[in-house]
Amino acid sequence: DAEITQSPRHKITETGRQVTLACHQTWNHNNMFWYRQDLGHGLRLIHYSYGVQDTNKGEVSDGYSVSRSNTEDLPLTLESAASSQTSVYFCASSPSGGQNTGELFFGEGSRLTVL
Amino acid sequence: SQQGEEDPQALSIQEGENATMNCSYKTSINNLQWYRQNSGRGLVHLILIRSNEREKHSGRLRVTLDTSKKSSSLLITASRAADTASYFCALIYGNNRLAFGKGNQVVVIP
Repeated sequence: DAEITQSPRHKITETGRQVTLACHQTWNHNNMFWYRQDLGHGLRLIHYSYGVQDTNKGEVSDGYSVSRSNTEDLPLTLESAASSQTSVYFCASSPSGGQNTGELFFGEGSRLTVL
Repeated sequence: SQQGEEDPQALSIQEGENATMNCSYKTSINNLQWYRQNSGRGLVHLILIRSNEREKHSGRLRVTLDTSKKSSSLLITASRAADTASYFCALIYGNNRLAFGKGNQVVVIP
């Protein structure tokens, strides 16, 4: 079955370190998204991509970057982790074109703690 | 803001009762979606209702949409303990981006 997987599921890091969260989907979806989920804020969009070599900033993109070198993967990088980036991160994907209703398929999340 | 806002934010009910939660929004929409999130898991799509639809059913779920009031409701009938979760409404904006509300936390007591 097609799926979307995130790794690691849990990570503890120190302030200032670079961290990369992986997202891999086998749906062959063109659209991929990264959200963070925090109490009191719901889900907020960090970055998104509509296809290979395409990346776009979401509403909370400062301190994060993404790259899209193939259809399956959209890694999220925290260049210099800050305590404010402690959160649960969700990757999601959706098809494009006529099959797309806007429905997102989510990974299980990556819980990041920055000490 | 493109977000929907859910109400109530927390709901506790007995198993077998119905659970109703509402979502209000401010912008015009093409469709509105509801998602469920079990504790420690990712979000799962439940149902989508288009702007030209007023009501939609899926199993024990019933969603209504009132575009004149910019609101939607999600009804879960005959609730079960397994329905304990957070429920989010989501609006599509821009090019296939979804904006999520902050969620309703529903606890079903066995």
